[in-house]
Amino acid sequence: GNSVTQMEGPVTLSEEAFLTINCTYTATGYPSLFWYVQYPGEGLQLLLKATKADDKGSNKGFEATYRKETTSFHLEKGSVQVSDSAVYFCALLTGTASKLTFGTGTRLQVTL
Amino acid sequence: EAGVVQSPRYKIIEKKQPVAFWCNPISGHNTLYWYRQNLGQGPELLIRYENEEAVDDSQLPKDRFSAERLKGVDSTLKIQPAELGDSAVYLCASSLDEWQGFGGYTFGSGTRLTVV
Repeated sequence: GNSVTQMEGPVTLSEEAFLTINCTYTATGYPSLFWYVQYPGEGLQLLLKATKADDKGSNKGFEATYRKETTSFHLEKGSVQVSDSAVYFCALLTGTASKLTFGTGTRLQVTL
Repeated sequence: EAGVVQSPRYKIIEKKQPVAFWCNPISGHNTLYWYRQNLGQGPELLIRYENEEAVDDSQLPKDRFSAERLKGVDSTLKIQPAELGDSAVYLCASSLDEWQGFGGYTFGSGTRLTVV
């Protein structure tokens, strides 16, 4: 079956530090890959996506590249801000499953 | 454009009591999903609708959970009777159709259920 593995949190960084949150997946077929963000007290928001190998998704300074050879979709940002503090979820979607499969989430806390 | 609207935002009930959650998806979105998110975990699908038809309810605990989507628009998720282990955030999401879901779902803010 499909599964997503994320690095455990919390991840605590100082403002302007470089961020990497690791995500690897197992899937049948050719999944689309997503990063969702959940701010405190809010629902999930789509941050970025990639639909095929070597695609790079980007949004709000965040980037992730779909690496089929390593089955990975690591999230990166060059300079985090306090406002980036949230829980980040990696997810995949395949046509055969027709449902988003999420990782367990990684909490990011950015301090001044 | 209004997003996915869920109500109530919070609900506290005693165990064995019934509870219902309501979701209004984005206008024109044919596919509707109910997810459950346990504390510290990622969301897990409970049921998926294509218009008014439940096409995937394999993860829905049918002994106590039920859902409906009359007229293929709003949806209601019900638990009767609730158990302590049902405490979670219940998320509704929608997409234009199953294939447009590859562009990402739109999630509501969720209903946080606490069973005491």
